[in-house]
Amino acid sequence: DTGVSQDPRHKITKRGQNVTFRCDPISEHNRLYWYRQTLGQGPEFLTYFQNEAQLEKSRLLSDRFSAERPKGSFSTLEIQRTEQGDSAMYLCASSSSGTGPYEQYFGPGTRLTVT
Amino acid sequence: EDQVTQSPEALRLQEGESSSLNCSYTVSGLRGLFWYRQDPGKGPEFLFTLYSAGEEKEKERLKATLTKKESFLHITAPKPEDSATYLCAVTNAGNNRKLIWGLGTSLGVNP
Repeated sequence: DTGVSQDPRHKITKRGQNVTFRCDPISEHNRLYWYRQTLGQGPEFLTYFQNEAQLEKSRLLSDRFSAERPKGSFSTLEIQRTEQGDSAMYLCASSSSGTGPYEQYFGPGTRLTVT
Repeated sequence: EDQVTQSPEALRLQEGESSSLNCSYTVSGLRGLFWYRQDPGKGPEFLFTLYSAGEEKEKERLKATLTKKESFLHITAPKPEDSATYLCAVTNAGNNRKLIWGLGTSLGVNP
């Protein structure tokens, strides 16, 4: 399978714990995006990488959230001191780069439940 | 402010009953309009990209069209497996990497 993969698919954690999610993009894509989605809403942009550089981060993103893409391949999203409001589906997407608006391909998501 | 509005919020069809979903947008310099399908508990699945008014694209029972103000996703003779949420997103001239999303149309097709 050459699509975007995410791990884990589901995560249940207690409030105050830290969690880390992993995303492996399509191999030839150098852009990688993280989104958060709650029920009945469209995906909410969190952050974006081109290769290993984090080029954009949502102003709404709390400083408890951090993302890395150390070698320009896979990426991790860490949430520190989780809160119940962090419960959501966390989606990763990847795309080609260039001048055009290239379609983004999404992974299956990681469902986070904070109890 | 850039905005995407989808209608209806929900739609239930009988198998074989054709219909259309609407995506209206207000954006400063449209660079691209994207349609995605999302099944419950899964990530969005890319369907189409449209770049300019008058453009049309087809895939099986789906056909997407674009005008200067809106896009339609036409579903011809739908089957139960077409049941899903259909999401529309746009990018603008200022930032062609960031997708601006609608809330989606939840489609159910009865056998």
